[in-house]
Amino acid sequence: TQLLEQSPQFLSIQEGENLTVYCNSSSVFSSLQWYRQEPGEGPVLLVTVVTGGEVKKLKRLTFQFGDARKDSSLHITAAQPGDTGLYLCAGARFNKFYFGSGTKLNVKP
Amino acid sequence: NAGVTQTPKFRILKIGQSMTLQCAQDMNHNYMYWYRQDPGMGLKLIYYSVGAGITDKGEVPNGYNVSRSTTEDFPLRLELAAPSQTSVYFCASSYSALTDTQYFGPGTRLTVL
Repeated sequence: TQLLEQSPQFLSIQEGENLTVYCNSSSVFSSLQWYRQEPGEGPVLLVTVVTGGEVKKLKRLTFQFGDARKDSSLHITAAQPGDTGLYLCAGARFNKFYFGSGTKLNVKP
Repeated sequence: NAGVTQTPKFRILKIGQSMTLQCAQDMNHNYMYWYRQDPGMGLKLIYYSVGAGITDKGEVPNGYNVSRSTTEDFPLRLELAAPSQTSVYFCASSYSALTDTQYFGPGTRLTVL
């Protein structure tokens, strides 16, 4: 059983479209991180959110932490082929990180 | 700085064999983690360490052992390898827990036949 559920599992869109990835749980987390992973490599941190309701922007990426610190979303505006990859959320509880199963994004030119 | 290094990159084991996956970091990080990633899935925490001499179990510790005698090194030992341990193993480190960036190594792809 996954502590963090990510949806959708797969997403294939055209360049220029917008998309949102969701990360949900029934558990409360101290913080939540979003990572991006390329094939054959380790995940690379995109952002950490700590406060309930927090919104962070990273160029065309917007991250939100739910008010109750149980869920998060990642919104990409005007997706580009360079955004293609596996997006993972990870929640921190008691010194441990729990990862979601990931969203595989493919942006077609 | 090399960051987090892992060896070997690839390994094939026979059922029942043992091996040690090596992990080292040169960032003077206190926290180190071992994860496994099965195809198309997220990462599951096997063991973690909050400092030299201190280790604790993660979500999926069965079949694995760890030790942390120095700040830099955090080897993962597989005893009596089983096909269910076929996976990609990632080591990571961070300065502290919960909010700091985890830096990941390049991974070790292990196949047990």
